[in-house]
Amino acid sequence: AQSVTQPDIHITVSEGASLELRCNYSYGATPYLFWYVQSPGQGLQLLLKYFSGDTLVQGIKGFEAEFKRSQSSFNLRKPSVHWSDAAEYFCAVGAGEYGNKLVFGAGTILRVKS
Amino acid sequence: DAGVIQSPRHEVTEMGQEVTLRCKPISGHNSLFWYRQTMMRGLELLIYFNNNVPIDDSGMPEDRFSAKMPNASFSTLKIQPSEPRDSAVYFCASILGQPGELFFGEGSRLTVL
Repeated sequence: AQSVTQPDIHITVSEGASLELRCNYSYGATPYLFWYVQSPGQGLQLLLKYFSGDTLVQGIKGFEAEFKRSQSSFNLRKPSVHWSDAAEYFCAVGAGEYGNKLVFGAGTILRVKS
Repeated sequence: DAGVIQSPRHEVTEMGQEVTLRCKPISGHNSLFWYRQTMMRGLELLIYFNNNVPIDDSGMPEDRFSAKMPNASFSTLKIQPSEPRDSAVYFCASILGQPGELFFGEGSRLTVL
């Protein structure tokens, strides 16, 4: 069965510092991979997605992620974090016949200190 | 363009009562998903529809839960009877294309006393 592991429950970074959120997945075929962000009291918003091709994908708000098949990883990065990036981040793998059945990780809460 | 619209945003009810959550997907989207979010279990897919037809309801916890999508612009998730362990935030999401980006509503926070 498909699964997603986000090993870090909480991460705190200073404003302006770089960020990397870890994600490992388990899936038999080539995965569809996603990163979503959730602000308090809000729904989830897609940051970026990987389907195929270039393993480094760019997303909104200056985020990027790199797909590494050998490590079954899809880590999210941002070179310089802003206070508004404080939120919870979810990695997901697309399962099911059409890849739309998203299986989410447990999430990583990002705190940004000024 | 309006996003996914869910109602009510907050619901407080007593154990044993019937709860109905509603969702209006984005116009033109052909798939709709119901997710439940709790601290203990995270985000769980309950059921999803494709072209108004339920495709996978394996995540529905038990017979007390039911979902319908009578047309392309409306879906309901019903819990009858409700129990305190059903307390959670219930999200509806819709999508156009396969695979693609899920657009989430703002959620319905359910508290069962």
